[in-house]
Amino acid sequence: SQQGEEDPQALSIQEGENATMNCSYKTSINNLQWYRQNSGRGLVHLILIRSNEREKHSGRLRVTLDTSKKSSSLLITASRAADTASYFCATDPTGRRALTFGSGTRLQVQP
Amino acid sequence: EAGVVQSPRYKIIEKKQPVAFWCNPISGHNTLYWYRQNLGQGPELLIRYENEEAVDDSQLPKDRFSAERLKGVDSTLKIQPAELGDSAVYLCASSSKGQDVYGYTFGSGTRLTVV
Repeated sequence: SQQGEEDPQALSIQEGENATMNCSYKTSINNLQWYRQNSGRGLVHLILIRSNEREKHSGRLRVTLDTSKKSSSLLITASRAADTASYFCATDPTGRRALTFGSGTRLQVQP
Repeated sequence: EAGVVQSPRYKIIEKKQPVAFWCNPISGHNTLYWYRQNLGQGPELLIRYENEEAVDDSQLPKDRFSAERLKGVDSTLKIQPAELGDSAVYLCASSSKGQDVYGYTFGSGTRLTVV
């Protein structure tokens, strides 16, 4: 079963705008990871945030984590058409060495 | 270094037929996973191997699905007989422990269509 939900399910923006995706989960975690998946392709790891971290940056990506609310957000700044993909959050639950994925956000960046 | 290699990339079969998927993980990764991803959904774990031992197969439909990981390296996932609802992308992943977290690498997946 899915660990949690992502919001929104779909997002359409113009190139240059920022895109924000949210993820909620249910159990205690070691870390939370974000992945990108282009249509028909495999999952590409984007960024990992540990349970004792609150914010992390990588290039145009900014991830926040609130363990008290069991939620995370992914911000992509200055979006590009090439950012068009599905984005998934995945939790590494405490005591279970396997990623559990959310339902994903489908991002469309219009050129 | 090659990533996680899966084959075939695509498979179309008729219902009630058997099908098998193959995965070669990253060298040295002791942990191997099979996930199933239905259209428009996130991947869901089917089975996890530690070396050659299946340690988490609670989500594997054992009446028709089977998996093996001989010698703790390559793995195969089999469905027999396939049903229409088995149409999905089957992803293999492997992991190793870094400084304090496990790093996961996913293959490109096998897209199964059952007709």
